[in-house]
Formats: sequence, structure tokens, C-alpha cells
Amino acid sequence: KNQVEQSPQSLIILEGKNCTLQCNYTVSPFSNLRWYKQDTGRGPVSLTIMTFSENTKSNGRYTATLDADTKQSSLHITASQLSDSASYICVVRGSGTYKYIFGTGTRLKVLA
Amino acid sequence: EPEVTQTPSHQVTQMGQEVILRCVPISNHLYFYWYRQILGQKVEFLVSFYNNEISEKSEIFDDQFSVERPDGSNFTLKIRSTKLEDSAMYFCASSIEDSYYNEQFFGPGTRLTVL
Repeated sequence: KNQVEQSPQSLIILEGKNCTLQCNYTVSPFSNLRWYKQDTGRGPVSLTIMTFSENTKSNGRYTATLDADTKQSSLHITASQLSDSASYICVVRGSGTYKYIFGTGTRLKVLA
Repeated sequence: EPEVTQTPSHQVTQMGQEVILRCVPISNHLYFYWYRQILGQKVEFLVSFYNNEISEKSEIFDDQFSVERPDGSNFTLKIRSTKLEDSAMYFCASSIEDSYYNEQFFGPGTRLTVL
């Protein structure tokens, strides 16, 4: 069954610290993997998009990695800010389908 | 910056009633999507729409659901006879194309409450 699992479920860090969020997926065949940021009560906003041939992709303080062999991805946030408090969702799309499979997300809280 | 808009922001309805959720995708986008998110759960794909027809739908998208692009700007999701379990946040999204790198832009969502 195609699934996307994320860890941890929630995370609390102090402002200025770094953190890494994990995503494991079983979607096959694989097309691409995306990380989204979702503020409470809002729609998800795209952070990074990676295909199977890409190992890393950066967007400002966000850096995503992908290991298509082990079907794992991570999102690293550098020098966290209060505005980074949100849910971070890993989304995987299989090849030959329009369907996106969402993970349950990691809820990040950044404290001053 | 262009954005996807959705109306209403919150819809309350009685079980068994029909509801229509409206979305205005970004103007030059060609692919349209509906998702739902039950409170506390993950976002789930409902349907994708291209060239005035459904390109793919999930198991959730049964006969009580339908989508339409009635004019050049609106994209609607209709639920014919709402059930309590239809209570969720419904997100519309659009993208300019469907390549590997196409970014889907999400609207702010409509919160549907079925009583």
C-alpha cells in the first residue's frame, strides 16, 4: 500500500536552532517528492520539489534531501525563526498518476 | 502575486443538504485539484481535473461528489447529500502544468461543518 510516514509527530525547538524532519515512503513507482509548510487553518505552501535523480534541494533556510534507494527524505531547517512554527508535510507522487499522497506532517513549534 | 481563492471560508449545513464549494484558480493554470483534510488528519486527494474532465479521482470521490468548471474562472466541488463525515477542510489547488516540477498552489480552504 502506498504510504508516507513522517517523524517526529511534533517538535519543539528554541529560536535560532536547527532541526531535521524525516519522511519515509513506500510509494512505487516514484515520481517526485515535495515538502510543504502548512500554517494552522491555511492551505499548504510548497517548499521544495525533488525527483528521483535529485539528492538535495535548497530553498533559503530549508534544505531537503532524498534517497530514492531507501525511500527516505529529510527536511533540514537552519537557524529557525518564530515564523517557522507550522506543520511540515511530506507529499509523494507516484509515476503515471495525478494522485499525491500526503504524510501526516510534523508539527513544529519554535519558542523565543 | 496571483493566488487561488475559495468561497465561502466556512459553510455550515444540515445533513442531507447539497453544498457547492467554489474556487477561483490562478488564471493561466490548466490543472485543478480538490483535497480534503478532516480535523487532525492528513490531507487527502479527492480529484484532479484537466481539459474540462476528471483526470483522476480517489476512492473518497464517490457518486455524491462532482466537479465542474462552469465558466472560464470558477472551479466547483458539489456534494449532493452531505453526511456528518463530510465535515472537513476542503482545499482547492491549481497548477500551470503537470510536469515533475509543477508547483501546486493551494487556496486557503473552505471549512465545511455538517450538522
